[in-house]
This record gives sequence, C-alpha cells and structure tokens, in this order.
Amino acid sequence: QLVQSGGDLVQPGGSLRLSCAASGFTVSTNSMNWFRQAPGKGLEWVSHITSIGSLLVYAASVKGRFAISRDNAKNSLHLEMNSLRVEDTGVYYCTSQGSWGQGTLVTVSS
Amino acid sequence: DIQMTQSPSSLSASVGDRVTITCRASQDIRNDLGWFQQKPGKAPKRLVYAATSLEGGVPSRFSGSGSGTEFTLTISGLQREDFANYYCLQHNSFPYTFGQGTKLEIK
Repeated sequence: QLVQSGGDLVQPGGSLRLSCAASGFTVSTNSMNWFRQAPGKGLEWVSHITSIGSLLVYAASVKGRFAISRDNAKNSLHLEMNSLRVEDTGVYYCTSQGSWGQGTLVTVSS
Repeated sequence: DIQMTQSPSSLSASVGDRVTITCRASQDIRNDLGWFQQKPGKAPKRLVYAATSLEGGVPSRFSGSGSGTEFTLTISGLQREDFANYYCLQHNSFPYTFGQGTKLEIK
C-alpha cells in the first residue's frame, strides 16, 4: 500500500515536497515512479528511481527542477519540486510494482 | 521518445458487448506494456502487465494481447462498472509514455 501526502497550493517559483509512505514491501529493494495528471488531461510519467544502484531518471519537463529520493529508514519515497510552474499543476501519484498511491493535488497558481 | 498511439479515443458500447482498444508503439517495446483503468477522481488501476498477464483480482473478461509494436486490450461482456477511461503505458525505455487514453461510455 502507498499513502501519499504533501500536495498544496503554491505560487509560481515556489517549492513543495511530496511524500509516499509504503507498507507491505520495502522501498529500498523496489523501483518506484512518480506520475502526474493535469486537470482533465491524460497521464504523464515524471520520475523513476531504480532498486539497485539508485539510478534517477526524469522527464525532460521537470529535469533540473525536481528530485526523487527515498528514505529507507522510513520506507518512503519523496519528490522535491522546485521552481514550480503553472503547468506543474495536477494530481501526482507514486507507484511501485503496479500499485498506485491515492494521489495528491499540487496547484501552482498566483 | 517512444510514441504510443491509442485508438479509439472514445468508444460507446452497451452492457454485454465485446470491445477492443489498441495501442501501437513507434518502435519495438517487446512486451513492456501495461493497461490501466481509471475512474473519475480515482487513481489508475493496473489491469494487465507484461502485455498479456492479468493482475490478480481483475475479472477474466479483461485480456491483453500483442508484443513488439501492436497491443490490444479486450473486454468480453462489458459490465456497468467497466465504463471508465483506459490507458496503455510503455516502460521499455525512458521516458515512459502513455497512450492518449480511451473513454469508454455507455451507449
């Protein structure tokens, strides 16, 4: 099970940190992803962290602004989002092995 | 980037019908494809992984087929709870990419 938190309303240029607490499996031994969905739009992959070697991969639209990480002690996944833009608005989902979190809403607006 | 072309974008059908949704990849993705169902206000739910394997607990009326560049999701005997949005996702190479989605509506 994946339980998400951290979504909020933030101004353009601001920062936000999303969290995803895992239960029933260990984040350190599983690859995990973040996806997002803008209002009324389709799904978009955002970032990936591998289980071995901790390779980090980002979509071009967020590279250099977002950072994925995991906290093995807390068995959780995080997404640090900086220099947020209006177009980053949407529901963000963490996923692993076919399981999806419930989603958390990020709204970037002045 | 690998482009996933999903068709149709919308589909009107009746309870009991058999429907097929197709995804075509712009290059060979082997069987690195999943199918997802999403209902309004809910997180996507994976129905099929590795192109043809049904997720545990998913009704057997759902089936996936294909490999390489051509994939299909078939629902045999539509139930009322199947009316939703459907997406394919390729995870063969980064960036992972989705099809544009299919909105399955009741006729």
